[in-house]
Amino acid sequence: SAVISQKPSRDICQRGTSLTIQCQVDSQVTMMFWYRQQPGQSLTLIATANQGSEATYESGFVIDKFPISRPNLTFSTLTVSNMSPEDSSIYLCSVDMVGDDTQYFGPGTRLTVL
Amino acid sequence: AQKVTQAQTEISVVEKEDVTLDCVYETRDTTYYLFWYKQPPSGELVFLIRRNSFDEQNEISGRYSWNFQKSTSSFNFTITASQVVDSAVYFCALSEPYQGGSEKLVFGKGTKLTVNP
Repeated sequence: SAVISQKPSRDICQRGTSLTIQCQVDSQVTMMFWYRQQPGQSLTLIATANQGSEATYESGFVIDKFPISRPNLTFSTLTVSNMSPEDSSIYLCSVDMVGDDTQYFGPGTRLTVL
Repeated sequence: AQKVTQAQTEISVVEKEDVTLDCVYETRDTTYYLFWYKQPPSGELVFLIRRNSFDEQNEISGRYSWNFQKSTSSFNFTITASQVVDSAVYFCALSEPYQGGSEKLVFGKGTKLTVNP
């Protein structure tokens, strides 16, 4: 598996502001994903972060609200824009390792929007 | 479309009891993977096991065991002699073919296990 880190680990933000979450992995991976986990709920895929091209978003998620970057094979960012209390969630990145059909998850970012 | 059902929302047991977490899945694919992840209160998602759809052998890892039955589309997880540290939310997930040859995960709603001393 890989060592995956996320920053920040948690944050409390005001309505209308934006927060950028970073995901760093210690080895090259094929795919990087971003998930949202609302309180008491399961995980929902937001988008796939593609290296060198635009992210691929799932139904119900749009680039204006959740812009994603992936400048290289080991790093990605997710921005939660114009936040509202409904965005309070845990945001997790995951990676697919080369030659390994398993997604490994980062420690998550616990976001609270007031 | 793929679907994963974890019918048990919450389970509470006393330490040293055995407990089984149920997972039933739906898929039209002939090749797929099934997974179990553990989410302790700290929030991170810990990978426990991956099972290929062609491999129906049961697996045991310490106190953990998994029973995969394609005939009933189930992939159940048993913890033997449970411990307080096993308290967590457990998610079952099913792979779905995705872009770039990778797999997308479809998660069940999770089962919250509480092990009381």
